[in-house]
Amino acid sequence: KAGVTQTPRYLIKTRGQQVTLSCSPISGHRSVSWYQQTPGQGLQFLFEYFSETQRNKGNFPGRFSGRQFSNSRSEMNVSTLELGDSALYLCASSREDREQLFFGSGTQLSVL
Amino acid sequence: GIQVEQSPPDLILQEGANSTLRCNFSDSVNNLQWFHQNPWGQLINLFYIPSGTKQNGRLSATTVATERYSLLYISSSQTTDSGVYFCAVGRRGSGNTGKLIFGQGTTLQVKP
Repeated sequence: KAGVTQTPRYLIKTRGQQVTLSCSPISGHRSVSWYQQTPGQGLQFLFEYFSETQRNKGNFPGRFSGRQFSNSRSEMNVSTLELGDSALYLCASSREDREQLFFGSGTQLSVL
Repeated sequence: GIQVEQSPPDLILQEGANSTLRCNFSDSVNNLQWFHQNPWGQLINLFYIPSGTKQNGRLSATTVATERYSLLYISSSQTTDSGVYFCAVGRRGSGNTGKLIFGQGTTLQVKP
């Protein structure tokens, strides 16, 4: 069974641009959550989607948004990029009846 | 919100040695997971252990939920065990499946 797949692996953007990251969950997993990892703040929860609905949201500005499609694939978008948005963005999936999270390899975003 | 503290922050071991990593949390939880982040950034789920004891090969974990701590034991360490170990906690409930609060991690280096 394939694991969680995130694309792209690396991304370089400049301030003010926007970016879209993609995540394909493990087959059969309906919950997808996103995390941001930085050296200073560690791993922080961004949001969680289930059945195309956002169920939970972390403390991030409205520039961070996401969505989930009917096949459970998810995308997150960051608009008007700032230098501080440089981070490793991790996607995780889980089955509804079990909370064990499985993470993808992440997208390393660098904002110049 | 729930606070998660991990100790020690850094650990250097000789190959073959045993170690114990600790995770303290500030409030009641019913979701606790241990992860290993390898040098390439991949987060691997080691245990889903909201209470009790589990073992998987050379790794075992114990959570005492009533006393708000969890322990991860690594026996006969190998160089491939190097990386960062994270404890993450949460409260299961409507809309909380994917939301975990991570500790700052324990960085383990195993020397040959």
